[in-house]
Amino acid sequence: DAGVIQSPRHEVTEMGQEVTLRCKPISGHNSLFWYRQTMMRGLELLIYFNNNVPIDDSGMPEDRFSAKMPNASFSTLKIQPSEPRDSAVYFCASRQGTNYGYTFGSGTRLTVV
Amino acid sequence: ILNVEQSPQSLHVQEGDSTNFTCSFPSSNFYALHWYRWETAKSPEALFVMTLNGDEKKKGRISATLNTKEGYSYLYIKGSQPEDSATYLCAFMNNQGGKLIFGQGTELSVKP
Repeated sequence: DAGVIQSPRHEVTEMGQEVTLRCKPISGHNSLFWYRQTMMRGLELLIYFNNNVPIDDSGMPEDRFSAKMPNASFSTLKIQPSEPRDSAVYFCASRQGTNYGYTFGSGTRLTVV
Repeated sequence: ILNVEQSPQSLHVQEGDSTNFTCSFPSSNFYALHWYRWETAKSPEALFVMTLNGDEKKKGRISATLNTKEGYSYLYIKGSQPEDSATYLCAFMNNQGGKLIFGQGTELSVKP
């Protein structure tokens, strides 16, 4: 199994541009999570899906952030328009069930200049 | 607000030392407590998933205990090695939903 696959690994963009982060979970995992890692706040949960349905998006910072999971094998996190304070590492993780650990992707390091 | 606190924030030990860290979490509505190991420039890897009060789990030189009534878990590393250097995260899941809330982590540095 290739694990959780995220793309791109690094993204540098200008303030105001749209950014789309992508995630492919492990096949058979029914939950997918988007986390953001910053020095100040550590790992923060942004949103998670069960069986492709968004369950809790209370961690999404504001309307500039949106996430979709159109099918069991793909999810996107979009920031539009991006701002410098969005600079962080964004992790996607998937899980087989509530009694299992999460498998994390390698993360996308986003820099907004 | 669900607070997950870890201590110490960082720890420096010599090779061969044994060490332990603490994770405290809300004692109400408990469902599960996870431990993860996060090496620099990599992504977090699951060590243990613990669900029952009194649980003890072991993987090689690393072990963990769980007390859900008082809301704490300990992670122990016996005979630390330089390759144990990493940030160790604990994460709490309550019975209201399926999301994990992570602590800030304990950063361990083991010197040869």
